Amino acid sequence: AQKVTQAQTEISVVEKEDVTLDCVYETRDTTYYLFWYKQPPSGELVFLIRRNSFDEQNEISGRYSWNFQKSTSSFNFTITASQVVDSAVYFCALSEEFSGNQFYFGTGTSLTVIP
Amino acid sequence: DTAVSQTPKYLVTQMGNDKSIKCEQNLGHDTMYWYKQDSKKFLKIMFSYNNKELIINETVPNRFSPKSPDKAHLNLHINSLELGDSAVYFCASSQRGQTFNTEAFFGQGTRLTVV
Repeated sequence: AQKVTQAQTEISVVEKEDVTLDCVYETRDTTYYLFWYKQPPSGELVFLIRRNSFDEQNEISGRYSWNFQKSTSSFNFTITASQVVDSAVYFCALSEEFSGNQFYFGTGTSLTVIP
Repeated sequence: DTAVSQTPKYLVTQMGNDKSIKCEQNLGHDTMYWYKQDSKKFLKIMFSYNNKELIINETVPNRFSPKSPDKAHLNLHINSLELGDSAVYFCASSQRGQTFNTEAFFGQGTRLTVV
């Protein structure tokens, strides 16, 4: 079973629109970590945020914000006032404290921001 | 200083050849990984090493052999390359601690093309 689900395969928005990327995860561990990565067309994987399972506070960093809800096992990512440079594939990932020794990645959401 | 460096960045080779990809991290992390990213951008774990010990060996053909001479290095050797091996291979490292796990730090990726 997929541990991390990103149901949105591709999203297109017009510049300056807000966009939310969904991420749903599945784990039996009580301690776990959630991450978002950005992969621009140049191909490198850029780390955006890490969240542990005990910290449900939402976080804002500039135009980026993250909404972590344990009740729905979701860790959604919102870009406000999108820009062309936000065009990339975004990955949500899960790391578990005790089970396994890897990062489980979702299938990614390809975001295109149209000027 | 690059945190996780892998070489080469591009590798074009003929079917049947043997090739190696090298990876080094200078972060002092105890865990290193190899991920394969296919044409649909899906990131799949291949191997995971913790303190030079193989922890995860996913269903990867035994033509792929990782080697970790020390904690800072995890190389990937591929024998008898096949067309289906064409992909981007990412090396990564992280620190798995008693109280926290870091994010994965990724190398720039190696784009392997088998012709």
